[in-house]
Amino acid sequence: DADVTQTPRNRITKTGKRIMLECSQTKGHDRMYWYRQDPGLGLRLIYYSFDVKDINKGEISDGYSVSRQAQAKFSLSLESAIPNQTALYFCATSDFRTGTNEQFFGPGTRLTVL
Amino acid sequence: QQQVKQSPQSLIVQKGGISIINCAYENTAFDYFPWYQQFPGKGPALLIAIRPDVSEKKEGRFTISFNKSAKQFSLHIMDSQPGDSATYFCAASIGSSNTGKLIFGQGTTLQVKP
Repeated sequence: DADVTQTPRNRITKTGKRIMLECSQTKGHDRMYWYRQDPGLGLRLIYYSFDVKDINKGEISDGYSVSRQAQAKFSLSLESAIPNQTALYFCATSDFRTGTNEQFFGPGTRLTVL
Repeated sequence: QQQVKQSPQSLIVQKGGISIINCAYENTAFDYFPWYQQFPGKGPALLIAIRPDVSEKKEGRFTISFNKSAKQFSLHIMDSQPGDSATYFCAASIGSSNTGKLIFGQGTTLQVKP
């Protein structure tokens, strides 16, 4: 089945460490997104990409960077992790050709920064 | 800046009852309003969506009611079942802009008691 996968699924790290979260998709979608989920705050957009050469900041991009290595791969990096980046992170994809904004989410990465 | 406000934050309903989750939006340019369902340990998945040219959309036990003048929309789950226990997110976007960006509400955790 065409899918969206995220690695790792869980990660515990220390303040100041660099960490990378990876997302891969086999759906053939052109658009990819990174969100973080916090209780009571819903899903907030960090970065999004419409193709390999198009990267855009979302509403909470400070402290994060991304790389779109290929149409199927979109990585999120925390250059120097801090405790308030502890959250559940989701990657999502969508297909411009469908004419809808339906997004397909991966299973998430639970990140804890000590 | 929260452009989509969702309530309640949590909801407990007896099996067979009606679950109602409400959302309000600010941006009158929004023209696509989806609801996502998220089970524990999983990513959100599209449940049902509506565009503002209709006031109601029904799919099985799930109904979206839309009030354009009040800038509000709601999800009704009829005959709620324990299997409906999940977190529900409303969202909104400007589909005509083709940005694919969704603005999510804060989420509602629904528990359906047997």
